[in-house]
Amino acid sequence: AQSVTQPDIHITVSEGASLELRCNYSYGATPYLFWYVQSPGQGLQLLLKYFSGDTLVQGIKGFEAEFKRSQSSFNLRKPSVHWSDAAEYFCAVGGTGTASKLTFGTGTRLQVTL
Amino acid sequence: DTAVSQTPKYLVTQMGNDKSIKCEQNLGHDTMYWYKQDSKKFLKIMFSYNNKELIINETVPNRFSPKSPDKAHLNLHINSLELGDSAVYFCASSQDLQPNQPQHFGDGTRLSIL
Repeated sequence: AQSVTQPDIHITVSEGASLELRCNYSYGATPYLFWYVQSPGQGLQLLLKYFSGDTLVQGIKGFEAEFKRSQSSFNLRKPSVHWSDAAEYFCAVGGTGTASKLTFGTGTRLQVTL
Repeated sequence: DTAVSQTPKYLVTQMGNDKSIKCEQNLGHDTMYWYKQDSKKFLKIMFSYNNKELIINETVPNRFSPKSPDKAHLNLHINSLELGDSAVYFCASSQDLQPNQPQHFGDGTRLSIL
């Protein structure tokens, strides 16, 4: 069964500082990996995805993520955080087959201090 | 233009009542989903439909009955509401069932059971 672990429930960073949000997955084959962001009262917005090719993927809003098969990780990074990045971040893994579905991690809440 | 729209945004009702949540997508997607997000922000898939056909039913109580009149709509009817049904329900859609297809989310319906 596929699963996702986000070890950090809550992270606080200063505006302008760098950010790394951790994500570890468990899946038997090549995973399909996603990062989504949820602002308060909103739905989830896709930041980026990985399913093959270059292991460093670029997303929207200046985010990037690196797939490391040996560590079963797909960490999200941003060089310089803006106050508007404060939100809940979800890592998700998708599976193959006719009943493919997304399994989400428990989320990491990002707080940005000015 | 709202891609995935859900109504209502808020729903407050008493235990034992029956209620429905509607979802529509104007993206031309074939696949639609319902997710439940609990008070700890954990997101779990409930159902998925592909071209009006049920694909995933993730051991949801049969008080929950999804209905897809056409591939642009996926409604969720809930009978005999219980306290534990209080949550935010998200509708989502994707181009098709392929696992590399990102899912597009609505803004959610916050259901509160009194």
